[in-house]
Amino acid sequence: AQSVTQPDIHITVSEGASLELRCNYSYGATPYLFWYVQSPGQGLQLLLKYFSGDTLVQGIKGFEAEFKRSQSSFNLRKPSVHWSDAAEYFCAVGLNQAGTALIFGKGTTLSVSS
Amino acid sequence: NAGVMQNPRHLVRRRGQEARLRCSPMKGHSHVYWYRQLPEEGLKFMVYLQKENIIDESGMPKERFSAEFPKEGPSILRIQQVVRGDSAAYFCASSPTSGTSGEQYFGPGTRLTVT
Repeated sequence: AQSVTQPDIHITVSEGASLELRCNYSYGATPYLFWYVQSPGQGLQLLLKYFSGDTLVQGIKGFEAEFKRSQSSFNLRKPSVHWSDAAEYFCAVGLNQAGTALIFGKGTTLSVSS
Repeated sequence: NAGVMQNPRHLVRRRGQEARLRCSPMKGHSHVYWYRQLPEEGLKFMVYLQKENIIDESGMPKERFSAEFPKEGPSILRIQQVVRGDSAAYFCASSPTSGTSGEQYFGPGTRLTVT
């Protein structure tokens, strides 16, 4: 079955510290992977995406993610977290084809402490 | 270039009433998707439409829910005889008409509260 697992429901990180959010997927075809961020009461903003090529992808706001096929993982990282990064983060998987439903994980809520 | 637009942003309905949620895709996009986000859950796919056609409604509840994307105007998600369990955030996304990109652009969502 196709699924996305985000093992961490809630993470708290000190401002300036590094961050890693985990994402594991199960998908029958070559996946197209995404990370989205959702601020409270807002829609989803695309942080970055991966389909092929370099397994380390750069996104907006200083985020990056690494695709590891052997581990079926697509973890999101940021070297230094800012207070404005506090939000909910969703990993999603789909196909590189218009018309395909995205499958989302349940999300990880990031809190940033000062 | 305006993004995906949804209205209303917040909607309160009493049990048994109808809810109509509207979505205007990004300019140049003719693929529209509806997702539902229940509290503390990720987004779940409901339906995928192109102009005047429902392509995939595998995630849509069998009763009370319907969707359309007419030739002119926004896509509409309609929920008849709402119940408390329909309270959720409903997100619309759109993707480009041409090409093979699976990338979807999301609107701000409509938060439906059923009292």
